[in-house]
Amino acid sequence: EAGVAQSPRYKIIEKRQSVAFWCNPISGHATLYWYQQILGQGPKLLIQFQNNGVVDDSQLPKDRFSAERLKGVDSTLKIQPAKLEDSAVYLCASSHTGTTRSVWTDTQYFGPGTRLTVL
Amino acid sequence: EDKVVQSPLSLVVHEGDTVTLNCSYEVTNFRSLLWYKQEKKAPTFLFMLTSSGIEKKSGRLSSILDKKELFSILNITATQTGDSAVYLCAVRDNYGQNFVFGPGTRLSVLP
Repeated sequence: EAGVAQSPRYKIIEKRQSVAFWCNPISGHATLYWYQQILGQGPKLLIQFQNNGVVDDSQLPKDRFSAERLKGVDSTLKIQPAKLEDSAVYLCASSHTGTTRSVWTDTQYFGPGTRLTVL
Repeated sequence: EDKVVQSPLSLVVHEGDTVTLNCSYEVTNFRSLLWYKQEKKAPTFLFMLTSSGIEKKSGRLSSILDKKELFSILNITATQTGDSAVYLCAVRDNYGQNFVFGPGTRLSVLP
């Protein structure tokens, strides 16, 4: 089974520039998550999709961040314009969806992440 | 607001030692608690806990949940240098079904 794919792996930009990240989840996983992980901290959820609908985007800074998952598979996360404090690793994860509690539905599989440096 | 606290934040031990990592949480409608290991890359799944008092075990790692006192522990016996990593605890609720992560415990195992 192929894992979660992300690109690019590294990105360096200057503040006020724009940047986009791409994620391809594991085949068949309806739920997709974008996390921001600042150095020394745990991942913070930015947005959660189920298929192509948004489940939770309460912590997404909507004045500069946007995300989409148009066909319910791949997703892109965009930052425009970037600030210094956006420097972080952006992790994409996917999982099965279901109301029945199980390792199958509650285990997230993470991609390798994109390390963003804003200068 | 759901919250996860981990302690200690950092720990240095020598090979062969046994360590206990702690995770306490506040969540409105608890669904599950998960432990992850994060080395230089993305977090990898270790355990999922849903019921109190039932130990989950995988090799030298084990974990248990106490839903009354709202905490979980992760034990690693006979530590090896390959156990050096950040160990993340996350809780999931039944409402939004999202995951809230703690800050992690950075474990360093010295030879």
